[in-house]
Amino acid sequence: KAGVTQTPRYLIKTRGQQVTLSCSPISGHRSVSWYQQTPGQGLQFLFEYFSETQRNKGNFPGRFSGRQFSNSRSEMNVSTLELGDSALYLCASSSPAGETQYFGPGTRLLVL
Amino acid sequence: DQQVKQNSPSLSVQEGRISILNCDYTNSMFDYFLWYKKYPAEGPTFLISISSIKDKNEDGRFTVFLNKSAKHLSLHIVPSQPGDSAVYFCAASDGRGGATNKLIFGTGTLLAVQP
Repeated sequence: KAGVTQTPRYLIKTRGQQVTLSCSPISGHRSVSWYQQTPGQGLQFLFEYFSETQRNKGNFPGRFSGRQFSNSRSEMNVSTLELGDSALYLCASSSPAGETQYFGPGTRLLVL
Repeated sequence: DQQVKQNSPSLSVQEGRISILNCDYTNSMFDYFLWYKKYPAEGPTFLISISSIKDKNEDGRFTVFLNKSAKHLSLHIVPSQPGDSAVYFCAASDGRGGATNKLIFGTGTLLAVQP
């Protein structure tokens, strides 16, 4: 089976812009979670989608949003980018019966 | 409030010896624990997991031990190999009976296995 894929792998944006990141889960996986990794805060949970519904949300401002499509692919959007949004954004998927999450390679976002 | 803690930022071990990575947690509602290995600029790779109903799980060179009363888990790697050099994260989940897959991560331990 193909693993979790994320596009793009790298992005450079400027403050105030918005960005959309994409994640395709492992085939058959319906849960998609997003995490932010920064040197100062480590890996932090953003939100989880299951069957096109947001099932859980972390402690991030409303500028961070996401959605999931009927084929389980997910996108996350960050509006009004700030310098502190520079991070590695990771997507993970898990099967309906499983609790193990499998991660994609991440999208490296740099905000200038 | 850091619910999952890895108090050792780094660990250096000789090739062939045992590596022991430790993790402590504070939330007694956590019922599933995982270890991930991560290289820079890559996503975490799943290594091994354990449910709170067990106290040990083994997979090849990797063994995870869970001590629920102490809220402590550890990952043993035997024998350690240079290719094991990476950052290791422990993570915990309060699955709420399958209602969510939110993971809480520790801050990671950088393992260096010396040839």
